[in-house]
Amino acid sequence: DAMVIQNPRYQVTQFGKPVTLSCSQTLNHNVMYWYQQKSSQAPKLLFHYYDKDFNNEADTPDNFQSRRPNTSFCFLDIRSPGLGDAAMYLCATSIVSNQPQHFGDGTRLSIL
Amino acid sequence: AQKVTQAQTEISVVEKEDVTLDCVYETRDTTYYLFWYKQPPSGELVFLIRRNSFDEQNEISGRYSWNFQKSTSSFNFTITASQVVDSAVYFCALETGANSKLTFGKGITLSVRP
Repeated sequence: DAMVIQNPRYQVTQFGKPVTLSCSQTLNHNVMYWYQQKSSQAPKLLFHYYDKDFNNEADTPDNFQSRRPNTSFCFLDIRSPGLGDAAMYLCATSIVSNQPQHFGDGTRLSIL
Repeated sequence: AQKVTQAQTEISVVEKEDVTLDCVYETRDTTYYLFWYKQPPSGELVFLIRRNSFDEQNEISGRYSWNFQKSTSSFNFTITASQVVDSAVYFCALETGANSKLTFGKGITLSVRP
């Protein structure tokens, strides 16, 4: 059974139209991460939550926001998607830092 | 600053061949953690192994083995008797005790031909 679930698997949105990607976990892990992965590149960390503490990467655009309303759910909001935001978005969890991260299947975002 | 170098970008082998994926890392921290992840064409990253900096013992898991050498800052991954299902992108990653951020290498695309 999937332990980190990302919905939807594929998302198409229009240029400039806000979009929300969701992630849920059944592992009860403390840490949740959002990564952006473009074609043929390594995943790039956008931000992570340690419990309710939000940690933003310095180079994450302001266009990207995140919410973690409870332990199980985490959302990625892209306020005004541009063509350059088309990518695979990966959610991951870990019980604490420095432990293996468990990844979801990802959401592939396309921008029209 | 942390850095992971996977010098090989693409490797193609015939089924049943052995293949070694190289990983070299850089960090000034004495406490750190090394990982390998597999990303098959379906897209999800699958955790393979975690090693901490104080444990240089090599590990074997079925057809997979890992060679960790602090003297050369390397953490190489060998697949013995490769299979078509091993075709994927393999990422080596580093996480230090100072933060909880994984630093990924660029990945190695492994193709195993029947």
